[in-house]
Amino acid sequence: DQQVKQNSPSLSVQEGRISILNCDYTNSMFDYFLWYKKYPAEGPTFLISISSIKDKNEDGRFTVFLNKSAKHLSLHIVPSQPGDSAVYFCAASARSGGSEKLVFGKGTKLTVNP
Amino acid sequence: AAGVIQSPRHLIKEKRETATLKCYPIPRHDTVYWYQQGPGQDPQFLISFYEKMQSDKGSIPDRFSAQQFSDYHSELNMSSLELGDSALYFCASGYSNQPQHFGDGTRLSIL
Repeated sequence: DQQVKQNSPSLSVQEGRISILNCDYTNSMFDYFLWYKKYPAEGPTFLISISSIKDKNEDGRFTVFLNKSAKHLSLHIVPSQPGDSAVYFCAASARSGGSEKLVFGKGTKLTVNP
Repeated sequence: AAGVIQSPRHLIKEKRETATLKCYPIPRHDTVYWYQQGPGQDPQFLISFYEKMQSDKGSIPDRFSAQQFSDYHSELNMSSLELGDSALYFCASGYSNQPQHFGDGTRLSIL
């Protein structure tokens, strides 16, 4: 049973516009959420995270929003750039900081068109 | 900055053979995690080690074993390989309450 779900396998946006990637989870024990970005032939690279005690975390062009009651989080990238084209994985952990095993979604492939 | 190093990057084996994957964590990181990512799938947690002791175990087959050595590097040993073991194997390392950092993976192909 998929505990972390990314229901959109792919997303295509124009350069300069906003990219919104969504993620849903089912396990109430998850306490910490992370987004990883993955280019082909490379490992996942940590992007941004959020603790369950917050509802928003921002880092430059990247913002993650958490709606704990809906068990939903989203990653906003604005403005989107062609170099953002990659697969984005949502991950969850039952321990603060993600120092416990991560449970991943299946990923969303983002394509940013020039 | 130093990253997580995995070797080999690619490995081709035949059924029933054995394989050993190696992982060298970021210096001063005390925890190592292993994940398996099948084609078109999400990474699945296999096993983790904290200060050279197994700290958690996921969906790791009994044919697989792993350990973390005194220099903190880790090895994933896989025996009686099956076609279904073909996957990308990621190692990640972490320290305290910091996000895990991943290596570039070992692509294992079973013929």
